[in-house]
Amino acid sequence: AQSVTQPDIHITVSEGASLELRCNYSYGATPYLFWYVQSPGQGLQLLLKYFSGDTLVQGIKGFEAEFKRSQSSFNLRKPSVHWSDAAEYFCAVGASNTGNQFYFGTGTSLTVIP
Amino acid sequence: DAMVIQNPRYQVTQFGKPVTLSCSQTLNHNVMYWYQQKSSQAPKLLFHYYDKDFNNEADTPDNFQSRRPNTSFCFLDIRSPGLGDAAMYLCATSSGQGYQPQHFGDGTRLSIL
Repeated sequence: AQSVTQPDIHITVSEGASLELRCNYSYGATPYLFWYVQSPGQGLQLLLKYFSGDTLVQGIKGFEAEFKRSQSSFNLRKPSVHWSDAAEYFCAVGASNTGNQFYFGTGTSLTVIP
Repeated sequence: DAMVIQNPRYQVTQFGKPVTLSCSQTLNHNVMYWYQQKSSQAPKLLFHYYDKDFNNEADTPDNFQSRRPNTSFCFLDIRSPGLGDAAMYLCATSSGQGYQPQHFGDGTRLSIL
């Protein structure tokens, strides 16, 4: 069965520091992978997506993610975090044989300290 | 410029009193989804429509119903809300192709008195 694991429930970083949020997936074929960000009281905003091609994908707000098939991972990175990046981050997998459904990870809450 | 619009943003209802949440889209997407999200949890899919084809998740309570009268609108009806139904309800849309993302509205925060 498809599943998504985000091992880190909560991460705290200093403003200006680099960030990496981990995401591991379980799926038998090539997955379609997404990262979303959710600010308090808001909906989910798409940061970036991967479905084929270059395994390093660029997204909005200076984020990037790298697909590593051998590790079943799709980690999100940002070289320098801003205070406005504090939010909840969700990794999701959309698989071709599940119709139109997404499977979400449990999320990682990011706190940014000045 | 909003593409997926949910109304209202905040809804308060009484225990057992039916409530309807609405969602509209300007993307002309085939698929519309309803998710329930409780505090510090991932969104949980309740059901989705592919065009007029309704797909209910196996563990969605019967208390939750949905209607999609046309491509642009979708409604979530909670027939007899209980305290455990207090949550954020998110509507999303997609073109229906697996590699395309889902686009989310800002959600409706439902409180039960």
